[in-house]
Amino acid sequence: GAVVSQHPSWVICKSGTSVKIECRSLDFQATTMFWYRQFPKQSLMLMATSNEGSKATYEQGVEKDKFLINHASLTLSTLTVTSAHPEDSSFYICSARPLRTSGYNNEQFFGPGTRLTVL
Amino acid sequence: GNSVTQMEGPVTLSEEAFLTINCTYTATGYPSLFWYVQYPGEGLQLLLKATKADDKGSNKGFEATYRKETTSFHLEKGSVQVSDSAVYFCALSTNDYKLSFGAGTTVTVRA
Repeated sequence: GAVVSQHPSWVICKSGTSVKIECRSLDFQATTMFWYRQFPKQSLMLMATSNEGSKATYEQGVEKDKFLINHASLTLSTLTVTSAHPEDSSFYICSARPLRTSGYNNEQFFGPGTRLTVL
Repeated sequence: GNSVTQMEGPVTLSEEAFLTINCTYTATGYPSLFWYVQYPGEGLQLLLKATKADDKGSNKGFEATYRKETTSFHLEKGSVQVSDSAVYFCALSTNDYKLSFGAGTTVTVRA
């Protein structure tokens, strides 16, 4: 149980285009989903916290107009990288925190990540 | 703010060797501490955790003890296997459930 999927697993796009990444909790409902960015050989950096039905909360230094987050249901959050540029190339990872009543004791479950390459 | 510092890698070991990965933290309040593991081509998985001082987390032969006095949460395993080759991340969270990660340590175990 507690599986999180991401789609696509990798994407290559041209500079100036927008890319949408989906994060789904497959067998549980998620109160909160988190979006991270990971550069090669570096740690995960939290970008934003996404709560179902409300606006995402962005970390300092993250442009909310560039990284649009939508959390329309308890099992789906999307991250859209708008007008992507080569410096946005990175590994994007989401995690999901199950509902408190699910019995998972506040654990977060991570997706496998999406590799974005902007040419 | 919160931060995690962990031992730089990469670490290369032979099978059955002892593994230690050091992790220290800085946090406001009383954080929960975690070790996550990322196997090649997979997402992060929780390896073990500790939620208060002196707690010991353990799983799959790995152990880590929450040391408040030294603000540390070092990961240890007495006898590693090839299948333990992965990237290991130390992390902490406070009341808002946000995770702060260390830089990650790549461990390679050779047969």
